[in-house]
Amino acid sequence: EAQVTQNPRYLITVTGKKLTVTCSQNMNHEYMSWYRQDPGLGLRQIYYSMNVEVTDKGDVPEGYKVSRKEKRNFPLILESPSPNQTSLYFCASSSTGTEKNIQYFGAGTRLSVL
Amino acid sequence: TQLLEQSPQFLSIQEGENLTVYCNSSSVFSSLQWYRQEPGEGPVLLVTVVTGGEVKKLKRLTFQFGDARKDSSLHITAAQPGDTGLYLCAGAHGGSQGNLIFGKGTKLSVKP
Repeated sequence: EAQVTQNPRYLITVTGKKLTVTCSQNMNHEYMSWYRQDPGLGLRQIYYSMNVEVTDKGDVPEGYKVSRKEKRNFPLILESPSPNQTSLYFCASSSTGTEKNIQYFGAGTRLSVL
Repeated sequence: TQLLEQSPQFLSIQEGENLTVYCNSSSVFSSLQWYRQEPGEGPVLLVTVVTGGEVKKLKRLTFQFGDARKDSSLHITAAQPGDTGLYLCAGAHGGSQGNLIFGKGTKLSVKP
């Protein structure tokens, strides 16, 4: 089954404790992206990757890091989480072919930073 | 900053009623997508519209792309409780792979 898998689904942590949210897709998509979703603000893009070893900042990259060492994986790293990073996070992927821009989303990771 | 304004933000209706959700921008988009998101899940694509004036139907849902490709609408006929969810529009610019601009969404509740 074609899917984007995020782990964990729920995470409660404390300020300053480094964490990683993993994202994996099995559709051989070149493009992957991370979003955060906040009430009243909608979906905002954090980082995206056009292909392996190619990453770029989205609209709200501060406080986040990403890596793309393999095509299928795109982890989101919070080196020193802060309470304002409490949010619902989504990973998405898409192809670069005729269906570019059609994004497939994971089920989300709800993060609380205390 | 390119913006996609969705209206209304919230909509609560009775089963069987019709409704329209709007997505407006001052920017021209090469394509526009509509997603539906249910609680605890990620957004799922409903439709992509590409040509100005294009109309697409998906059962009781009708999507229209404005002639100038700056706006879109989603019309639901005879809404059902299963239509409940968050509806998101997202615009793409030609050549910018995957860099979608999302509206803030319309939260629809259809009561039996």
